[in-house]
Amino acid sequence: AQSVTQPDIHITVSEGASLELRCNYSYGATPYLFWYVQSPGQGLQLLLKYFSGDTLVQGIKGFEAEFKRSQSSFNLRKPSVHWSDAAEYFCAVAGAGSYQLTFGKGTKLSVIP
Amino acid sequence: DTAVSQTPKYLVTQMGNDKSIKCEQNLGHDTMYWYKQDSKKFLKIMFSYNNKELIINETVPNRFSPKSPDKAHLNLHINSLELGDSAVYFCASSQVVTRAGNEQFFGPGTRLTVL
Repeated sequence: AQSVTQPDIHITVSEGASLELRCNYSYGATPYLFWYVQSPGQGLQLLLKYFSGDTLVQGIKGFEAEFKRSQSSFNLRKPSVHWSDAAEYFCAVAGAGSYQLTFGKGTKLSVIP
Repeated sequence: DTAVSQTPKYLVTQMGNDKSIKCEQNLGHDTMYWYKQDSKKFLKIMFSYNNKELIINETVPNRFSPKSPDKAHLNLHINSLELGDSAVYFCASSQVVTRAGNEQFFGPGTRLTVL
């Protein structure tokens, strides 16, 4: 069965600082990986996704993520955080041809002005 | 244009009542989903329909019944509501699953509070 672990429940960074949110997955074959963001009181918005090819993927809002098969990781990064990035971030995994999208438990990001 | 919409946004009701949440998507997708997000923000799949056919049915009390009148709509009916049903319910949709994976588009959520 596929699973996702987000080790950090809550992260606080200063505005302008860099950010890295960790995600580890468990899946027997090549996974399809996603990062979603949920702003307070809102639905989930897709930030970026990895299917194949270049292991460094660019997303919206200046986010990027790197797929590392050897570490079963798909960490999300942003070089300079803005106050509007404060939200809950979810990593998710799906298998090829699978309807099942499995989410991690999320990481809450707080941004200090 | 709202891609995936849900109504109502908030729902407050008494224990034992029956309620429905409606979901519509205008993306032309074939597959729709219901998720439950608990108070700790954990998202768990409940159901999925592909072209009006149930394809995912996780361990959910049978008080919850999804209904898909057409592939653009997936409604969630809940009978005999309990306190533990209080949560945010999200509807999502995706195109037919391909080798490119399963990118899902989410609605804004319905916050259900059972008193």
